[in-house]
Amino acid sequence: DGGITQSPKYLFRKEGQNVTLSCEQNLNHDAMYWYRQDPGQGLRLIYYSQIVNDFQKGDIAEGYSVSREKKESFPLTVTSAQKNPTAFYLCASSIRDRGLEETQYFGPGTRLLVL
Amino acid sequence: QKEVEQNSGPLSVPEGAIASLNCTYSDRGSQSFFWYRQYSGKSPELIMFIYSNGDKEDGRFTAQLNKASQYVSLLIRDSQPSDSATYLCAVTVIYNQGGKLIFGQGTELSVKP
Repeated sequence: DGGITQSPKYLFRKEGQNVTLSCEQNLNHDAMYWYRQDPGQGLRLIYYSQIVNDFQKGDIAEGYSVSREKKESFPLTVTSAQKNPTAFYLCASSIRDRGLEETQYFGPGTRLLVL
Repeated sequence: QKEVEQNSGPLSVPEGAIASLNCTYSDRGSQSFFWYRQYSGKSPELIMFIYSNGDKEDGRFTAQLNKASQYVSLLIRDSQPSDSATYLCAVTVIYNQGGKLIFGQGTELSVKP
């Protein structure tokens, strides 16, 4: 089955700890994205990558880091510098449809909680 | 001004009625418009996309786009309780390095049996 997987479903972080959220896709999509969603809020873009070994900061990149060593994988690390990490984290991928327009599909999400 | 705005709701409609969800956007250069449905605790699911002015129908769903008024809407005919969810409007905004999706905060829809 083709799709986007995220793990774990729930993640608990202790103070001062770095944690890494996994995102894998087997859709052969070029672009991948990380969003953060807070209760009652829309999605805010953290990082995105349009090709392997390249990525750009989104609107709220501070306290986060990413890598894109393989087309299928785009892990997100929430560092200790992110002081308010509790949120629902969503990974998405897309294939270009027409020029700059991109239809994004989402993974099931990871809920991060601070202990 | 927010780039993509939606009424947060909740919007409550009786079963079988038409639900109308609205979205306005600020970037006149936007070319692609998307509607996602998000059930509580779940990830967004793409319902429809629209690129051209006018209506686009898919089953019980109709997306309407008016670029002159910078307005996109989603109509759900014969609403069912299973349609109860938050609906996210997303618009492609063009930047120097390409386009990216900007999401509205979502409209919560409740369909009462």
